[in-house]
Amino acid sequence: KAGVTQTPRYLIKTRGQQVTLSCSPISGHRSVSWYQQTPGQGLQFLFEYFSETQRNKGNFPGRFSGRQFSNSRSEMNVSTLELGDSALYLCASSSSPSGTGGNEQYFGPGTRLTVT
Amino acid sequence: DQQVKQNSPSLSVQEGRISILNCDYTNSMFDYFLWYKKYPAEGPTFLISISSIKDKNEDGRFTVFLNKSAKHLSLHIVPSQPGDSAVYFCAASAWGNQFYFGTGTSLTVIP
Repeated sequence: KAGVTQTPRYLIKTRGQQVTLSCSPISGHRSVSWYQQTPGQGLQFLFEYFSETQRNKGNFPGRFSGRQFSNSRSEMNVSTLELGDSALYLCASSSSPSGTGGNEQYFGPGTRLTVT
Repeated sequence: DQQVKQNSPSLSVQEGRISILNCDYTNSMFDYFLWYKKYPAEGPTFLISISSIKDKNEDGRFTVFLNKSAKHLSLHIVPSQPGDSAVYFCAASAWGNQFYFGTGTSLTVIP
């Protein structure tokens, strides 16, 4: 079974631009969560989608948005990029919604975003 | 507000000895806990989990202990191997909610 894939793996953008990141979950998984990882901050939760509906949302500004398609693939969009948005963005998939017990999340390799 | 904390950024252990990684949490509603291992340039990989109805879960060389009264969990790796060198994250969730991750502990196992 193929794992979680994320595209692109690396991205360099300029401050003020916008960016879209893509995540394809493991086949059959309907939950996709997005995280931002920065040095010293660990993994900060952005949002989770399950069956095309946003279930949970972390404490990030409205510039960060996402969506999920009927095939469970998910995209994350960041508008008006700031230097502080430079980070590793990870997505994770699971068979059931997060926190519903007994299921772990499977992570993709991440997209390294650099904002200059 | 960091609800899950890993207060040791790094840990070095000799090969063959025990590695103990610690994690503290503040939210008493958390009822499911996980440990992940992360190598550079890869996403985190699930290691082991424990629910709040248990105080210990074992899987091969990995054992997770949960002390609910102290809001503390730990991961024991015995014996430690050089391939265990990675960053370890603990995570916690309350029923139906998001996972909260710690900031990670970088483990180095010295041959």
